[in-house]
Amino acid sequence: KAGVTQTPRYLIKTRGQQVTLSCSPISGHRSVSWYQQTPGQGLQFLFEYFSETQRNKGNFPGRFSGRQFSNSRSEMNVSTLELGDSALYLCASSLDPGSADTQYFGPGTRLTVL
Amino acid sequence: AQSVAQPEDQVNVAEGNPLTVKCTYSVSGNPYLFWYVQYPNRGLQFLLKYITGDNLVKGSYGFEAEFNKSQTSFHLKKPSALVSDSALYFCAVRVGNQGGKLIFGQGTELSVKP
Repeated sequence: KAGVTQTPRYLIKTRGQQVTLSCSPISGHRSVSWYQQTPGQGLQFLFEYFSETQRNKGNFPGRFSGRQFSNSRSEMNVSTLELGDSALYLCASSLDPGSADTQYFGPGTRLTVL
Repeated sequence: AQSVAQPEDQVNVAEGNPLTVKCTYSVSGNPYLFWYVQYPNRGLQFLLKYITGDNLVKGSYGFEAEFNKSQTSFHLKKPSALVSDSALYFCAVRVGNQGGKLIFGQGTELSVKP
């Protein structure tokens, strides 16, 4: 079974631009979560989607948004990019949003903001 | 507030020796605890989890972890370290009423020398 895939793997943008990242979950998984990883802040939760609904949101500004499609694929969007948005963005999928369920991570998208 | 602490930024071990990577947590409610490993330029790989039951959990690649409720700890262990175990290790906790949100520790860099 294929794992979580994320596209693109690398992105370079300039301040003020916007970016869209894509995540395809493991087949059959209906829950998708997004995390930001930076050297200074570590791994931080962005949001979680299940059945096209945002179930949980982390403490990030409104410039960060996401959505989930009927096939469980998810996208996240960052508008008006800032230098501090440079990070590895990780997507994780699980069967359902139950607390005991394991989240499986994709390889991430490395975003560099110049 | 829920939190996870990994008190050691780096752990150095000789190949063949036992290794321990420490994790303590602070949550209100019953915790679900996870260990992940990250290799350079890769996403997170799931190692093991504690949900309930036996306090000693066995996972992938010979790793195990012991849940200690009184000490609020979930240390990762392996009886005999391999050079290929060198990587960044993350402990994470999820609380029952917060869906899929994982709270991560800051990570511990494990270095295994031949």
